[in-house]
Amino acid sequence: SQQGEEDPQALSIQEGENATMNCSYKTSINNLQWYRQNSGRGLVHLILIRSNEREKHSGRLRVTLDTSKKSSSLLITASRAADTASYFCATASIQGAQKLVFGQGTRLTINP
Amino acid sequence: EAGVVQSPRYKIIEKKQPVAFWCNPISGHNTLYWYLQNLGQGPELLIRYENEEAVDDSQLPKDRFSAERLKGVDSTLKIQPAELGDSAVYLCASSIQGETYNEQFFGPGTRLTVL
Repeated sequence: SQQGEEDPQALSIQEGENATMNCSYKTSINNLQWYRQNSGRGLVHLILIRSNEREKHSGRLRVTLDTSKKSSSLLITASRAADTASYFCATASIQGAQKLVFGQGTRLTINP
Repeated sequence: EAGVVQSPRYKIIEKKQPVAFWCNPISGHNTLYWYLQNLGQGPELLIRYENEEAVDDSQLPKDRFSAERLKGVDSTLKIQPAELGDSAVYLCASSIQGETYNEQFFGPGTRLTVL
């Protein structure tokens, strides 16, 4: 079973706009990670945020974490056509940080 | 540096036939994972190895699935016999053992179609 629930399941925006994806989870976590998957490819790690962090930036990516609400968001600013992909959040629990539990993903489409 | 290598990339078989997938992790990565990914879903862990030891195989359907990592490097996942519901993408990933905050590196996957 998958812990994370992502919202929305699909998102379509114009190039240059910002894209926001949300992830909710159920159990206490050690860290939360975001991955990208292009069609027909494996997943690529984007960013990791620890349970004691509230916000993290990496290039055009901004991730927030609210452990009281058990939720995270991924913001992609100034989107590009190449950002078209599926985005997954994955949680590592306190009991077993080596094991990741993935959400069902958000399919993002950037229209040129 | 080479990434995680998987083969074959695609496999089409008839139900009740056996099938095997192969994975070579990134050099130096002691932890190896096999995931199953159904269409439109996120990956689900089947088994995790620390070196040659399977430390988490609770999600592996052991009546038909088996895996091995004999020398603690590359790994093979087998299904025998395959069922229609096994059609999915099988992903292999690796990470560095002992890292508290583990970033996993994924291979391209093997897309299995069972007819």
